[in-house]
Amino acid sequence: AQSVAQPEDQVNVAEGNPLTVKCTYSVSGNPYLFWYVQYPNRGLQFLLKYITGDNLVKGSYGFEAEFNKSQTSFHLKKPSALVSDSALYFCAVSPGGGSGYSTLTFGKGTMLLVSP
Amino acid sequence: GAGVSQSPSNKVTEKGKDVELRCDPISGHTALYWYRQSLGQGLEFLIYFQGNSAPDKSGLPSDRFSAERTGGSVSTLTIQRTQQEDSAVYLCASSGGQRERETQYFGPGTRLLVL
Repeated sequence: AQSVAQPEDQVNVAEGNPLTVKCTYSVSGNPYLFWYVQYPNRGLQFLLKYITGDNLVKGSYGFEAEFNKSQTSFHLKKPSALVSDSALYFCAVSPGGGSGYSTLTFGKGTMLLVSP
Repeated sequence: GAGVSQSPSNKVTEKGKDVELRCDPISGHTALYWYRQSLGQGLEFLIYFQGNSAPDKSGLPSDRFSAERTGGSVSTLTIQRTQQEDSAVYLCASSGGQRERETQYFGPGTRLLVL
């Protein structure tokens, strides 16, 4: 069975500072990895994904994530946080391969709070 | 283009009543997914449709839950004899296209409250 862990319920960072939201996963084979963001009373918004290729992937709003197979991690990063980045962030995994269509397993989410 | 839409945005019902939740996927997307988001359980997969294949119902929590997808497009999630523990946000997602089959795009959700 596949699983995703987001070890931090909340991450606090000051505006302008770099941020990291951690994610580790447990999936056999070569998984696909995703980050989504959820603003209050909204659905999930896709940020970025790792399918194959370069371990560093760049996504929307200046976010990036690094796939580390040996550490089974996919941490989300941004060089300079904005107050508007404050939201709930979800890491997700799918088994990969096959047709590409597959359901997602999500972590429990990490609340990011960026202070002015 | 238009994203995934869901209706209603909010639904309040009494315990024991049936409810229907609707999802309109992104045009041309062949895969459609239902998830449930609740405080206690986080985000859980419910059911998944892909093209003309039989749906993957492995995430449905009980036989009170069912879903159908008509004409390969719109989907309806039905919960019969609702219970208070069914209170949650029900999220629909779709994916498709030659180069982005694996990326799911989510609707705004339906917030269900069972009294």
